Amino acid sequence: AQKVTQAQTEISVVEKEDVTLDCVYETRDTTYYLFWYKQPPSGELVFLIRRNSFDEQNEISGRYSWNFQKSTSSFNFTITASQVVDSAVYFCALSESNSGGSNYKLTFGKGTLLTVNP
Amino acid sequence: DGGITQSPKYLFRKEGQNVTLSCEQNLNHDAMYWYRQDPGQGLRLIYYSQIVNDFQKGDIAEGYSVSREKKESFPLTVTSAQKNPTAFYLCASNLGQAAHEQYFGPGTRLTVT
Repeated sequence: AQKVTQAQTEISVVEKEDVTLDCVYETRDTTYYLFWYKQPPSGELVFLIRRNSFDEQNEISGRYSWNFQKSTSSFNFTITASQVVDSAVYFCALSESNSGGSNYKLTFGKGTLLTVNP
Repeated sequence: DGGITQSPKYLFRKEGQNVTLSCEQNLNHDAMYWYRQDPGQGLRLIYYSQIVNDFQKGDIAEGYSVSREKKESFPLTVTSAQKNPTAFYLCASNLGQAAHEQYFGPGTRLTVT
């Protein structure tokens, strides 16, 4: 069974600090996909990034960067120079591909509440 | 604008009543999903549908029912059999492949007293 663990329940930082959100996953499949979502106070989940299991290249998008390491089954998310608007709950999620390639399940971690204080 | 709409944003019901939550998408997505979120918890899958007139139970389907008569619509009924219905309900959709991210609606917060 697939599982996603976000060990950090809450993180509080001061604006402009860098912060890393940890995500560790478990899966028996060789083909799988990892996602990060942001949930601001409004409640709607916003898609941030997708990474497939064959692509271990790190990715940077503005102040956001992601570090995918298959050797440690981790897909960590770093926000550089955090801002108050980054305050939200962040979810890591895992999707496995069955033999037909269809997606029927996205397994979420419990989320990390990030608070960025001015 | 393309997206997913859920209505209403807040819903209040008395215990023992069934209630239906609406979810509509105009993204032309084949697959649609319903999740439940409780405070401090991740999202848990209730039901999903990969094609019109077909749907499957997720991890916590007991006390819920769905229908998928149109590609754009996937309503969720919370029945009186659901023991703890108060929660935040999120609808999502995608192209139906594992590689594709799911897009979420704004959610409906249901309170049952």
